[in-house]
Parts: sequence; structure tokens; C-alpha cells
Amino acid sequence: AQKITQTQPGMFVQEKEAVTLDCTYDTSDQSYGLFWYKQPSSGEMIFLIYQGSYDEQNATEGRYSLNFQKARKSANLVISASQLGDSAMYFCAMRETNVGNQFYFGTGTSLTVIP
Amino acid sequence: SAVISQKPSRDICQRGTSLTIQCQVDSQVTMMFWYRQQPGQSLTLIATANQGSEATYESGFVIDKFPISRPNLTFSTLTVSNMSPEDSSIYLCSVEGPGVYEQYFGPGTRLTVT
Repeated sequence: AQKITQTQPGMFVQEKEAVTLDCTYDTSDQSYGLFWYKQPSSGEMIFLIYQGSYDEQNATEGRYSLNFQKARKSANLVISASQLGDSAMYFCAMRETNVGNQFYFGTGTSLTVIP
Repeated sequence: SAVISQKPSRDICQRGTSLTIQCQVDSQVTMMFWYRQQPGQSLTLIATANQGSEATYESGFVIDKFPISRPNLTFSTLTVSNMSPEDSSIYLCSVEGPGVYEQYFGPGTRLTVT
């Protein structure tokens, strides 16, 4: 079974609007971390936001927030007030602390911001 | 956060040759990771490199093809040996941050094999 599932290969959003990128995960561990990364066309992986499995509040970092629903095993990324520079690939990832240091990545969502 | 640099940033190589990719971190880290991202795909972990010990390779990756060095706590190299066009990918170095869940990536090396 896939550890991380991103069901949206591509998404479009109007500039200044909000967009939600979906991510579901699969783990039997109680302790894990969830991450979102942005990968522009240049190829670098830019860390956006992190959510720990024991964190009770949803993580926020500027215009990024993570909608963490533990019971549903979902960790959706919400980008508010989209900007043209937000156009990129977005990867959801998980790390299970009790299973070595393996980092699992989803297949990514390509976001295009329309002016 | 850790600052990671990689060299080269990109290269075009002939089939059958080898390329060594360097990864430099601005702070001492215990574990360094090498990932491969084939065109249009997600990231796949190649190996984990600890200073002073042999790298640990993931299923599907072998030391003869991807030898790794880790001479100190701030530096590592990944060699892609006897390259074929299937090795055309972005290769990324990654390190853990000070927090147990933090993970940072270098800018990547974009390799094209002709």
C-alpha cells in the first residue's frame, strides 16, 4: 500500500484565491511527522511546513497551513492568497520515527496559478 | 535550518562514464541521505550515509552502481557509475535538522545521460 497518496496530479487556482492540495497517509505508528515541500522548475526542494502526529493544533507558516485530520489520516496543504510564484510541484511526505529514518514521498501535485 | 550545497548543479554525461556529486552542509550532521528523482516522478531514497560507516542502501540500489563516501560530518559524495540514459534524474542530498522531524534538501544535481 502507498504510504503517501496525492490524488491530484494537477491543480489550477486563480491568483489571490486559496487552494487546497490533498494528501492522505498510511501508517500504524503513533509517532510520525508530515511534511510539505515545494519544488519549482529549478529542481530544489523547499521545505514549507511540518506537522507532528502529537501536535493538537494545525501547523501554520505564513500563507501555508496544514489541515491535519488524524482520524482520517489526511494532511492537506492550504495555500491562501495564491501568488504567481506559487506555481510549482508540491510533495507531501511522511517520516515514521519508529521505522528507521525512511522518508516517504507522494507523487506530487502540479499547481498552476492563473493571473 | 541547514544550508546545503551540491556540485555540480547539472551535467550532461556520456553513456558508460561516471559522475561524482558532492554535497556540503554548513553544520555537522549525523546522517545524510541521497535521493533520486526520475523525470516526472517522486523522490526515491538511494541510501543513508553515516560518518565513519558504510552507507545503507535501499532495495534496488547497490554500492557498485552508487558508491557513497562520507569522510566527515559536513560532506558526502555520491558517484553514479557506468551511466546509462536511465540514470538521467535529479539527485538530491538531504540532511536531518536539529529537530527530530526536520529534513532539508540541497538544490539538486540535474543529470542527463546521452
